[in-house]
Amino acid sequence: ILNVEQSPQSLHVQEGDSTNFTCSFPSSNFYALHWYRWETAKSPEALFVMTLNGDEKKKGRISATLNTKEGYSYLYIKGSQPEDSATYLCARNQAGTALIFGKGTTLSVSS
Amino acid sequence: ETGVTQTPRHLVMGMTNKKSLKCEQHLGHNAMYWYKQSAKKPLELMFVYSLEERVENNSVPSRFSPECPNSSHLFLHLHTLQPEDSALYLCASSQNRATNEKLFFGSGTQLSVL
Repeated sequence: ILNVEQSPQSLHVQEGDSTNFTCSFPSSNFYALHWYRWETAKSPEALFVMTLNGDEKKKGRISATLNTKEGYSYLYIKGSQPEDSATYLCARNQAGTALIFGKGTTLSVSS
Repeated sequence: ETGVTQTPRHLVMGMTNKKSLKCEQHLGHNAMYWYKQSAKKPLELMFVYSLEERVENNSVPSRFSPECPNSSHLFLHLHTLQPEDSALYLCASSQNRATNEKLFFGSGTQLSVL
């Protein structure tokens, strides 16, 4: 079983704050690491897919890094906005298997 | 819109009922998935279809029966469910089953079993 752990479970920040979350996973037989954003009453939406150690991806104010040797990924949000409020899911898999998800980090941004 | 449509959005059923969840993707993808989201648990993979063939079955009870008649449609047939099966059921698709391809999710069916 590929346990994917995410921390913190939830957090609340003020508009304009920058924040980051952690995703930890077993480093053996690593193939890909995914980040998804899941807004209330909507579908989970893919943010990033990373496969290589040291990968860094950026989409607007959101970025992610990947360390496959130590088994962690960070998601950063710069200058949080209320529309960033969502649950952020991390998922990983080995070659040939479907994604295993973490429980997510729920972000709430107050204006 | 993600290109993946699920119906119904909400479903209430008794333990003796038979119902079906439907998923349709308009993206031309070859792989489709059923995931289950229970309260305070991570998304759990149930089934994976690739080119209409079931390729993963994640030890799901037989009271859940998937069907993939073509690459655009996926069903989940439900019968004699238990109250603990109440959950959000999400359908997803990807271009292929390759594990570095992102998933496109539907909005889910919120199922309540009485």
